[in-house]
Amino acid sequence: EVQLVESGGGLVQPGGSLRLSCAASGFTFSSYDMHWVRQATGKGLEWVSAIGTAGDTYYPGSVKGRFTISRENAKNSLYLQMNSLRAGDTAVYYCARQGYSGYDYWGQGTLVTVSS
Amino acid sequence: DIQMTQSPSSLSASVGDRVTITCQASQDISNYLNWYQQKPGKAPKLLIYDASNLETGVPSRFSGSGSGTDFTFTISSLQPEDIATYYCQQYDNLLPYTFGQGTKLEIK
Repeated sequence: EVQLVESGGGLVQPGGSLRLSCAASGFTFSSYDMHWVRQATGKGLEWVSAIGTAGDTYYPGSVKGRFTISRENAKNSLYLQMNSLRAGDTAVYYCARQGYSGYDYWGQGTLVTVSS
Repeated sequence: DIQMTQSPSSLSASVGDRVTITCQASQDISNYLNWYQQKPGKAPKLLIYDASNLETGVPSRFSGSGSGTDFTFTISSLQPEDIATYYCQQYDNLLPYTFGQGTKLEIK
């Protein structure tokens, strides 16, 4: 059974840092592109970052230079290092597996709250 | 970036009704369009990929159509468990794979 389990969320002050983790199981992790998608309370879905099987990384302008996605295939793990956090980064963060054409599996999400 | 315009933003319908949601892309995306269902407090779930293909295990009352810039998502007979927010998403070629704004579906 495919499972994605996020962890690492919490309350952080503006300007602070946080590292999210996503533990994958039930599939060959190294064979899939992986993404982070976030959702502010009551809002829509926003793509945050992606990493390919070769380690190539992608970001939208809103987080580029502040967030870093990485993966450790030996540990079946995906990470998101978030620096210089802002109030606007407050959201539930999901890791998602990119299947043939869409995000076919999602984690349950981890809440990040940026507030003083 | 490709923009996705989804409508309506909210919809109220009765059990058994046919429900239709539309999604328009800002440029031709062929059939690179997915539909997701998100229930409150849960992660999104992929329902339809490549505009019209039903994900395994998804009830046949859900369907999708369209290509190019205009797409439609339909529930043929609304059931109480279909109450959720629905999102379209394009995945044409380059990132970002943008989402529509979502359609919140409620029971009348």
